[in-house]
Amino acid sequence: AQKVTQAQTEISVVEKEDVTLDCVYETRDTTYYLFWYKQPPSGELVFLIRRNSFDEQNEISGRYSWNFQKSTSSFNFTITASQVVDSAVYFCALSEGDSGYSTLTFGKGTMLLVSP
Amino acid sequence: DSGVTQTPKHLITATGQRVTLRCSPRSGDLSVYWYQQSLDQGLQFLIQYYNGEERAKGNILERFSAQQFPDLHSELNLSSLELGDSALYFCASSDNNEQFFGPGTRLTVL
Repeated sequence: AQKVTQAQTEISVVEKEDVTLDCVYETRDTTYYLFWYKQPPSGELVFLIRRNSFDEQNEISGRYSWNFQKSTSSFNFTITASQVVDSAVYFCALSEGDSGYSTLTFGKGTMLLVSP
Repeated sequence: DSGVTQTPKHLITATGQRVTLRCSPRSGDLSVYWYQQSLDQGLQFLIQYYNGEERAKGNILERFSAQQFPDLHSELNLSSLELGDSALYFCASSDNNEQFFGPGTRLTVL
């Protein structure tokens, strides 16, 4: 069965610090997708990234970067020079198979609090 | 704005009651998903529809049911409500890539 573990329940940093959110997943499928979503205090779920299991290249988007390592079944998310607006709950998720219509299994989320 | 709409935004009701949550997917998306976010269970998948047909089922209680109509909007029906059903219910739609989430319906059962 698929499973996503986000061991960090809550992280507090001061603005401009770098922070890494950990995500470890379990799946028996060789084809799968990994996601990160952001849930700000307003409650909506905001899509950040989707990565397939065959693409282990790290990705950078502005202050955000993702490190995918199949050898350790991890898909970690780093925010560089954090800002107060980054304060939110961040979810890692997994979908199995090669269909874009597969369902998502979410981790429990990591609450990030960035203080000024 | 994801393009997925959900109504109502908030719903307060009493135990034993029945409610209906509504979702309109993004234009052109055939697949609709329902997820429940609660404090103890986290975010979990309930049920998925594709072009009117049930495609996958997750941890959905027998007291809950859903359907997708010909115009592709979907409704989630929750009956015999219990205190533990209080949660944020998300609808999402998919274009065979990412899932786009609606703003959610916050259900409070008193």
